Amino acid sequence: GQSLEQPSEVTAVEGAIVQINCTYQTSGFYGLSWYQQHDGGAPTFLSYNGLDGLEETGRFSSFLSRSDSYGYLLLQELQMKDSASYFCALTMDSNYQLIWGAGTKLIIKP
Amino acid sequence: DGGITQSPKYLFRKEGQNVTLSCEQNLNHDAMYWYRQDPGQGLRLIYYSQIVNDFQKGDIAEGYSVSREKKESFPLTVTSAQKNPTAFYLCASRELDRVNTGELFFGEGSRLTVL
Repeated sequence: GQSLEQPSEVTAVEGAIVQINCTYQTSGFYGLSWYQQHDGGAPTFLSYNGLDGLEETGRFSSFLSRSDSYGYLLLQELQMKDSASYFCALTMDSNYQLIWGAGTKLIIKP
Repeated sequence: DGGITQSPKYLFRKEGQNVTLSCEQNLNHDAMYWYRQDPGQGLRLIYYSQIVNDFQKGDIAEGYSVSREKKESFPLTVTSAQKNPTAFYLCASRELDRVNTGELFFGEGSRLTVL
């Protein structure tokens, strides 16, 4: 079967850099996505890695290594508004559906 | 502005009652999805539809039903057969020619509580 593992909670300081890891076990996938969800709100798409390597979008970067079955989301210059849950998700090559991690709650302290 | 509208935002139901959650999109997306989210868990797929008048079961379809009579609408009915329906329900959509980009567009969700 397929599964993704993320830390349940990460704490960081405003202005700092934080990395949220995602490890997975799966037979085949197209790519790894990252989503942000504020409490009670809708998940919003942040980034997608179809190939190995780093993708940068402003303060956020995402990385994928298929050989290590591992990816991460890097958030720089943390702001209080970045306090949210972050989910990694794989797009499966069997049916294009997304398999989701359980999410990482990011707590930012002033 | 284009987007996905879910209603109601909050819904209370007595045990044994069916309830229907509305999902409407004006993004002209072919594919629509219903997910269930429970605390501390990832999203789990209930049903999805890639074309009008056709839909497929997801991982946790038991106790739920859907219809897709119009491209822009994909309502979800939570039936009395669903053993633990209290959850946050999310509707999503995407373009079929972008299914390998991992990007879904979500509504604001409907929170169902069974009393």
